[in-house]
Amino acid sequence: DSGVTQTPKHLITATGQRVTLRCSPRSGDLSVYWYQQSLDQGLQFLIQYYNGEERAKGNILERFSAQQFPDLHSELNLSSLELGDSALYFCASSYWASGRDTQYFGPGTRLTVL
Amino acid sequence: GQQVMQIPQYQHVQEGEDFTTYCNSSTTLSNIQWYKQRPGGHPVFLIQLVKSGEVKKQKRLTFQFGEAKKNSSLHITATQTTDVGTYFCADSGGSNYKLTFGKGTLLTVNP
Repeated sequence: DSGVTQTPKHLITATGQRVTLRCSPRSGDLSVYWYQQSLDQGLQFLIQYYNGEERAKGNILERFSAQQFPDLHSELNLSSLELGDSALYFCASSYWASGRDTQYFGPGTRLTVL
Repeated sequence: GQQVMQIPQYQHVQEGEDFTTYCNSSTTLSNIQWYKQRPGGHPVFLIQLVKSGEVKKQKRLTFQFGEAKKNSSLHITATQTTDVGTYFCADSGGSNYKLTFGKGTLLTVNP
């Protein structure tokens, strides 16, 4: 158990819909990272927040957005969902903002878009 | 942007055989992290390599960072069924805050 929690574990929805994925970092960690894992693309970095502020952006679509709240939990919002958005979404946390830090991954949310 | 190539994509071995996965980049890597993801699980940090030519060992696992910092390898001696999973390398790139992952090597072990 990494100490990072993600909800829900599974999500099944239809094209065009909007969903919110939630992540609570390990106690004391200030950074939250979001990743998308699909079979053909591997683990893709989406976005990082550090202490409430956006720190780095990766290959995140405009239909996706995220935020980190004062209690440091984070939400990833996916809208106008397409079939290709079906994937595992992982959240990870670390204490510092640097990419050199060990990142602790949560169990993931499996999103299926029908 | 930075790309990290990982080979092989798949490797199937008999229990007791050795296994190696390689991570390569056309540009200098900043630091290399290695992660393991069990089937149905999430990536778990194994180790970080920082220095050119660095070699680190964890029991049956040996991690190396190339002299030019353009490649890295993970070698498992005498594989066991518990070694099954996907092994990822990731570059924790310079001034960036993100990890750039290789596509991983899926290791399966026949008992």
